[in-house]
Amino acid sequence: QQQVKQSPQSLIVQKGGIPIINCAYENTAFDYFPWYQQFPGKGPALLIAIRPDVSEKKEGRFTISFNKSAKQFSLHIMDSQPGDSATYFCAASKETSGSRLTFGEGTQLTVNP
Amino acid sequence: NAGVTQTPKFQVLKTGQSMTLQCAQDMNHNSMYWYRQDPGMGLRLIYYSASEGTTDKGEVPNGYNVSRLNKREFSLRLESAAPSQTSVYFCASSSRGFSNQPQHFGDGTRLSIL
Repeated sequence: QQQVKQSPQSLIVQKGGIPIINCAYENTAFDYFPWYQQFPGKGPALLIAIRPDVSEKKEGRFTISFNKSAKQFSLHIMDSQPGDSATYFCAASKETSGSRLTFGEGTQLTVNP
Repeated sequence: NAGVTQTPKFQVLKTGQSMTLQCAQDMNHNSMYWYRQDPGMGLRLIYYSASEGTTDKGEVPNGYNVSRLNKREFSLRLESAAPSQTSVYFCASSSRGFSNQPQHFGDGTRLSIL
């Protein structure tokens, strides 16, 4: 069973556009929600993360929006660039399970010049 | 500045063969993980080691075994490879076993089983 569901599976935008990737989770015990970015041939790398006590977090051009009541969170990329083309994974974890992460299915983002 | 190093990078096996995937980290991290990545399924945890001397099953442990050799090294063994184990395998580490500690990934081992 997939405890973290991610959509869309793939996304194509033009340079400067604002791609939005959505995730929904089931387990209300989750208390940490990171996003990882993966380039072809490389391992994932932490991009940005949020805890459920805030509704939004920004780091540079990347923003996480969090809706605790809906059990949903999303990644927005402002002024997207071709260099942002990568696969993005949302994830969730809970303190009681240590640092074990449950990942979403991934979204392959292409930003055209 | 190596971070997490995985060997080999590529491997082709025949069904029934065995092999060990190696992982080493130089960040003095306590926790280490093995994941498999399959198209449309994200990353799924196979086994993890919260600290040296401990290992625990993850989401998809069947057909695999692990050894936390020391604080730096965490190996994954396939005793009798099956085509369903064709995947990209990632090793990761984190400084401590808390939920907000980022995981640092290696670049993966691409394994094909014929």
